Amino acid sequence: SAVISQKPSRDICQRGTSLTIQCQVDSQVTMMFWYRQQPGQSLTLIATANQGSEATYESGFVIDKFPISRPNLTFSTLTVSNMSPEDSSIYLCSVVPSGGTHQAVEQYFGPGTRLTVT
Amino acid sequence: GQQVMQIPQYQHVQEGEDFTTYCNSSTTLSNIQWYKQRPGGHPVFLIQLVKSGEVKKQKRLTFQFGEAKKNSSLHITATQTTDVGTYFCAGKTGGGSNYKLTFGKGTLLTVNP
Repeated sequence: SAVISQKPSRDICQRGTSLTIQCQVDSQVTMMFWYRQQPGQSLTLIATANQGSEATYESGFVIDKFPISRPNLTFSTLTVSNMSPEDSSIYLCSVVPSGGTHQAVEQYFGPGTRLTVT
Repeated sequence: GQQVMQIPQYQHVQEGEDFTTYCNSSTTLSNIQWYKQRPGGHPVFLIQLVKSGEVKKQKRLTFQFGEAKKNSSLHITATQTTDVGTYFCAGKTGGGSNYKLTFGKGTLLTVNP
C-alpha cells in the first residue's frame, strides 16, 4: 500500500479564485488520478496525472479549468480554476502503487480536500 | 461509455441482519474491485476479483464475480455497527496499462444497534 497526504484538507474560497491541491505519496507510484466526489455521490474521475507529460482528461473536464502537474513519481497538484459554487466538492487523489501487475490495479486514496466555493 | 450500476442505493438494517449490494456492468470487466467509505472518510480498497465465477471471503464479507464477468455482489453476514459506510464497486475494462476504474454509485449501509 501507499501513504498519501493531501493539502489542504479543506478550504472555503470565493468564486472567481483558484485553489491548488497537493497530493504527496510516500513512495514512487505507477499511476496517479484525481477524482471529484460531491456529497453523498460516487467518484468521478477528472484526469490521470502523467509524470513528465500532460494529464489525460476525462470527458467533461478540461485542462484550462483543472490544470494538473506531476513533476515526479510521488507528487501531483490539481488546480481548480476560476471557481464557481458548482465546483464545491471533495477532491481526492488516488494512486496505483508500483510493482503490481496489470491485473493488480487497486487504488489507494488520499484523505481528500473538501472545497466550498461561496 | 462503460456504466456500472449498483443497487440498492441505501440499505438500513438491524444489527445482526445480513446485507447484500449488487453491481452490474454494461460491458464485460477484466476485474472488479470493492471499496468501503466510512462517513467523512475516503474510499478504502477491500478486495479485487479477477476470475469468472470467483468467490472470495473476508471474515463476514463474501464477494462474488459473475460467470460472465459483468456483475458482482458483496454480502455481509450478521452486520455490526462497524460495517456502516458506503460500499462502492469499481470495474476495470481492458487489459494492458489501462488502470482506469469506473465506480458504481455506491450503497450506503446504516446499521441500527
